[in-house]
Amino acid sequence: DAGVIQSPRHEVTEMGQEVTLRCKPISGHNSLFWYRQTMMRGLELLIYFNNNVPIDDSGMPEDRFSAKMPNASFSTLKIQPSEPRDSAVYFCASSFLRLDTQYFGPGTRLTVL
Amino acid sequence: DQQVKQNSPSLSVQEGRISILNCDYTNSMFDYFLWYKKYPAEGPTFLISISSIKDKNEDGRFTVFLNKSAKHLSLHIVPSQPGDSAVYFCAARGSTGGGADGLTFGKGTHLIIQP
Repeated sequence: DAGVIQSPRHEVTEMGQEVTLRCKPISGHNSLFWYRQTMMRGLELLIYFNNNVPIDDSGMPEDRFSAKMPNASFSTLKIQPSEPRDSAVYFCASSFLRLDTQYFGPGTRLTVL
Repeated sequence: DQQVKQNSPSLSVQEGRISILNCDYTNSMFDYFLWYKKYPAEGPTFLISISSIKDKNEDGRFTVFLNKSAKHLSLHIVPSQPGDSAVYFCAARGSTGGGADGLTFGKGTHLIIQP
């Protein structure tokens, strides 16, 4: 069974560039979560969707960050423009129902130079 | 302001012995707690969970204990095996009936099982 798929696995970009991270949740899952992991703050929730609708984006750090879920099998997290402090590992997770166990993807390691 | 705290960044245990990982929380609205295990270059994987209406949940070698009055939970691994070496994250979630369903994580404890 395919788990949560994230691409790319690694991204290196220069400050000011646009970055798009992609996530395919587990088929049949209705909730999707984006998390960010840094040394300073650990794992923190950025935004989550339920049935493709954003429910809570209070964790999105700035207007430079945006997320979309155009359909049940695809979501993007975009950073425009990127800054060095955005360097982190970004995880996507999905769950069957809103309060079910969340299953994580392998993460995207983003480095902004 | 950390709502979920894992005060031990690392823990070293001999193979075959018991590993005890601790977690404290401050938000009394949390009512569901989980432990995730993470290997390098992989995403966290779910290990075990416990609802606030219980004080213990067991799954094979893994047992989670919850002390609501102390706002403390712990994960016991018995016996510890080399494959248990990983970073363990404690996570919590509140029941808001439609609000914040995301998880609040601790910063993790790196468990090292010594042969």
